[in-house]
Amino acid sequence: GQSLEQPSEVTAVEGAIVQINCTYQTSGFYGLSWYQQHDGGAPTFLSYNALDGLEETGRFSSFLSRSDSYGYLLLQELQMKDSASYFCAVGNYGQNFVFGPGTRLSVLP
Amino acid sequence: EAEVAQSPRYKITEKSQAVAFWCDPISGHATLYWYRQILGQGPELLVQFQDESVVDDSQLPKDRFSAERLKGVDSTLKIQPAELGDSAMYLCASSSDSSLLFFGPGTRLTVL
Repeated sequence: GQSLEQPSEVTAVEGAIVQINCTYQTSGFYGLSWYQQHDGGAPTFLSYNALDGLEETGRFSSFLSRSDSYGYLLLQELQMKDSASYFCAVGNYGQNFVFGPGTRLSVLP
Repeated sequence: EAEVAQSPRYKITEKSQAVAFWCDPISGHATLYWYRQILGQGPELLVQFQDESVVDDSQLPKDRFSAERLKGVDSTLKIQPAELGDSAMYLCASSSDSSLLFFGPGTRLTVL
């Protein structure tokens, strides 16, 4: 089977840096992606890693270690609008995507 | 910018009634997905299409759920009869490769 684990909640203050971890067990792994979802909205794509290492996109960075089946999303210079749920998702061969349970990030003033 | 379209945005129905949701993916995206998301949880795949063919429907409750993508473009997801436990957000997504999904706005279903 396939499974992903993420912390259920994370809290940080404006301007801080926060890291959301994701561990996975899967077969046919192709890549790890991250999605942001605000309350009542749909998930939107943030970042993708197919190879080991760090990918940077503005204030957001994502890291992958295939040998450890582990990745993380790093959010810098936190803003109030970053308060949302964040999901890691494993992409498998055949364009099959399995989502983690999500991490709810609360940014405090 | 191209978007995935879904309708309706909200649906309230009584249990044992039939409901249907529609999705129009981004033009040119061969792969279409229907996900169900219960509040506070991650999206769970119901069915995946490649063009008009079903690739994965292993998690689709086939006694009451059906999905089709007859011409390989838009798709319909049907529930008949609806049950209280079907209350959730139904998300349609499309993809052109293995790296990311584009989601539609979703249909919020409430079964009374």
